[in-house]
Amino acid sequence: AQTVTQSQPEMSVQEAETVTLSCTYDTSESNYYLFWYKQPPSRQMILVIRQEAYKQQNATENRFSVNFQKAAKSFSLKISDSQLGDTAMYFCAFRPGGGADGLTFGKGTHLIIQP
Amino acid sequence: DAGVIQSPRHEVTEMGQEVTLRCKPISGHNSLFWYRQTMMRGLELLIYFNNNVPIDDSGMPEDRFSAKMPNASFSTLKIQPSEPRDSAVYFCASSSDTQARNQPQHFGDGTRLSIL
Repeated sequence: AQTVTQSQPEMSVQEAETVTLSCTYDTSESNYYLFWYKQPPSRQMILVIRQEAYKQQNATENRFSVNFQKAAKSFSLKISDSQLGDTAMYFCAFRPGGGADGLTFGKGTHLIIQP
Repeated sequence: DAGVIQSPRHEVTEMGQEVTLRCKPISGHNSLFWYRQTMMRGLELLIYFNNNVPIDDSGMPEDRFSAKMPNASFSTLKIQPSEPRDSAVYFCASSSDTQARNQPQHFGDGTRLSIL
């Protein structure tokens, strides 16, 4: 079984600042995927970014990027030039590679962007 | 393209009643997942299907919970009888997976269930 840990229950930054959300995981799998999902107050679950464990290059999506440290089992999310619309819960999630297994989620980080 | 469609969006019912939550996955997706979100336990996987077959239901909390997927475009999650501790947001998600590779899961908007 795998576990996902998000150690920051809540973070608050000013608009336009850069913020990094932490995530660590524990698994014995060698092939897997990691995800960050955003959940705004509307409660939608929105995929932010995805990382495949066998790829060494860190994934980026516009203002969002990850720092994937496989040996340390760390997967942090960096949000650059933060915007008010980034205010949301952010969940880190793990999924074994191949097959059709479900996601294991962390407890989430509540990110607040202050004007 | 339509995303994952869940109904109802909200459900309020009295303890002991039967509750049925519905999900239509994205067309062409072969995996379907049911999750539950509560403040205490966060997001938990309840059950998932691949090609309409239940693969792992170890997350289903009790025998009061059951799920079916009669065809590729429809799934239900049923609670009978319902209890106040079943109050939560229930999400359905779907993805397109193969043995070698899986794709990101796309979530519906969830059903907020309140059992009085």
